[in-house]
Amino acid sequence: EAQVTQNPRYLITVTGKKLTVTCSQNMNHEYMSWYRQDPGLGLRQIYYSMNVEVTDKGDVPEGYKVSRKEKRNFPLILESPSPNQTSLYFCASSKTSGGYTDTQYFGPGTRLTVL
Amino acid sequence: QKEVEQDPGPLSVPEGAIVSLNCTYSNSAFQYFMWYRQYSRKGPELLMYTYSSGNKEDGRFTAQVDKSSKYISLFIRDSQPSDSATYLCAVMNTGFQKLVFGTGTRLLVSP
Repeated sequence: EAQVTQNPRYLITVTGKKLTVTCSQNMNHEYMSWYRQDPGLGLRQIYYSMNVEVTDKGDVPEGYKVSRKEKRNFPLILESPSPNQTSLYFCASSKTSGGYTDTQYFGPGTRLTVL
Repeated sequence: QKEVEQDPGPLSVPEGAIVSLNCTYSNSAFQYFMWYRQYSRKGPELLMYTYSSGNKEDGRFTAQVDKSSKYISLFIRDSQPSDSATYLCAVMNTGFQKLVFGTGTRLLVSP
């Protein structure tokens, strides 16, 4: 089954404790992206990756890091989480560089709470 | 000014009603327009996409784009309780690199 998986699905942590949210896709997609979703602000892109070892900032990259060492995986790293990073996070992938004809498949989401 | 504006709702309609969901956008560089549906506790899924102005129909769903007024719409005919979800519009520029979402409109269809 074609899918994007994220782990963990729920996470409660404390300020400053480094964490990683994993994302993996089994569709051999080139393009992967991370979004955060907040009430009243909608989905905002954090980082995206056009292919292995190619990443770029989205609209809200501050406080986040990513890496793309393998095509299937695109982890999101919070080196020193802060309460304003409490949000619902989605990973997405598509066949090529996010062209509108390429369906973006979204993961199930990770609900992060930073105390 | 937000790049994409969308009324958050909720919009409540009875089963069988025609639903109209709308977004406005500010940047004429956006050429590609999409609608996503998001059920509670799920990720968004692509419902429809259109390029430039005009209409596109898929079953009970019709997407409409008016580039002159920077206005995009999604119409749902014969709405069903299973259509209850949040609907997000999204726009993309010609370089295919920036996908901008609206905040989403929550739709409730009652039996």
